[in-house]
Amino acid sequence: DAGVIQSPRHEVTEMGQEVTLRCKPISGHNSLFWYRQTMMRGLELLIYFNNNVPIDDSGMPEDRFSAKMPNASFSTLKIQPSEPRDSAVYFCASRFGSGANVLTFGAGSRLTVL
Amino acid sequence: GENVGLHLPTLSVQEGDNSIINCAYSNSASDYFIWYKQESGKGPQFIIDIRSNMDKRQGQRVTVLLNKTVKHLSLQIAATQPGDSAVYFCGQGDQGGKLIFGQGTELSVKP
Repeated sequence: DAGVIQSPRHEVTEMGQEVTLRCKPISGHNSLFWYRQTMMRGLELLIYFNNNVPIDDSGMPEDRFSAKMPNASFSTLKIQPSEPRDSAVYFCASRFGSGANVLTFGAGSRLTVL
Repeated sequence: GENVGLHLPTLSVQEGDNSIINCAYSNSASDYFIWYKQESGKGPQFIIDIRSNMDKRQGQRVTVLLNKTVKHLSLQIAATQPGDSAVYFCGQGDQGGKLIFGQGTELSVKP
């Protein structure tokens, strides 16, 4: 298996532009997580899905952020409009089942908003 | 609560020595606790986990200790190697599947 696949790996954009980050979870995994990592705030959970349904989005910073999971093999995290403070590395992770099963992370998408 | 900080806690050890990385947690209702390792430029990787009804679990060269009385978790790495240099995150999860992480500790292994 190729693991969790994220794209793009790097994105540089200007303030006000729309940003879409993409994630393909491991085949057969039914839980998907989006995290944001910065030096200031560490690794923050933004939202997670079970069986394509959002379960907890309390970590989503504000209305500019939205996440979707239209099917079991694809998820997007969208920021519109983007701001410089959104600059971070965004990780997607997936696992089979729920509870204590191991979460497998993607390589991350590094976003820079100028 | 939030993890806010300008600098990661750091731990520097000599190759071959044992390392102990500590973590304090806040949610007593967590079902399990977990340690991940993150190398530069990569996503976090699972190391070991422990259920909340246990106080010790051993893996290959690693041991996790859980002290629920003082809400403290530690990761012990035996015979630390240069390849162990990374940032280590503790995390806590609930039965519903939510998993949150602490700030992280940077481990540096000197040859």
